[in-house]
Amino acid sequence: NAGVTQTPKFQVLKTGQSMTLQCAQDMNHNSMYWYRQDPGMGLRLIYYSASEGTTDKGEVPNGYNVSRLNKREFSLRLESAAPSQTSVYFCASRREGGSETQYFGPGTRLLVL
Amino acid sequence: AQSVAQPEDQVNVAEGNPLTVKCTYSVSGNPYLFWYVQYPNRGLQFLLKYITGDNLVKGSYGFEAEFNKSQTSFHLKKPSALVSDSALYFCAMRDLYGGATNKLIFGTGTLLAVQP
Repeated sequence: NAGVTQTPKFQVLKTGQSMTLQCAQDMNHNSMYWYRQDPGMGLRLIYYSASEGTTDKGEVPNGYNVSRLNKREFSLRLESAAPSQTSVYFCASRREGGSETQYFGPGTRLLVL
Repeated sequence: AQSVAQPEDQVNVAEGNPLTVKCTYSVSGNPYLFWYVQYPNRGLQFLLKYITGDNLVKGSYGFEAEFNKSQTSFHLKKPSALVSDSALYFCAMRDLYGGATNKLIFGTGTLLAVQP
């Protein structure tokens, strides 16, 4: 059981370039999340999706877009990367029905030069 | 406002000694609290959670946490530390007012260093 997978593991971009971070889960969870992790700031929510076809902004959505392609996949797109978007990005999913636990992918390290 | 605080950036402990990683929270209502661990270059792994019930929660790898409502704390503990416990630990709380989000509010993390 793979859980939550993310690609790529590491990426270097130049300012202004675009890229899409991929996330997939095989646990049949409805809810999926994108967080960014920065030193001394913990994890902050970028976007989330409560179900297939729905997405909503989190705390720090500026500069990002998301797509919930189907129940399994939730992608994060940077249209024009900026150095401030250098971070580690984590995708997570959650099962409804009392568990409340979110399960995280291994992360994508992004460096924007 | 809701918040989670981890007052120590780093905790150092000798192998075999007990360890405590501190977490305090602020919320109006009954919190849902979590501990996650992050090993180097890895994602976050769930350790344990408190939703309701017994204040002492047992989790993975021999860790436990004690929920203390009067002190608004949820400290992570382990009776005997291992070098392999060295990692970054995050305390988190479910956002009670985020509607369908069910997002987690994270502390800033505490680096646990266990010396052999």
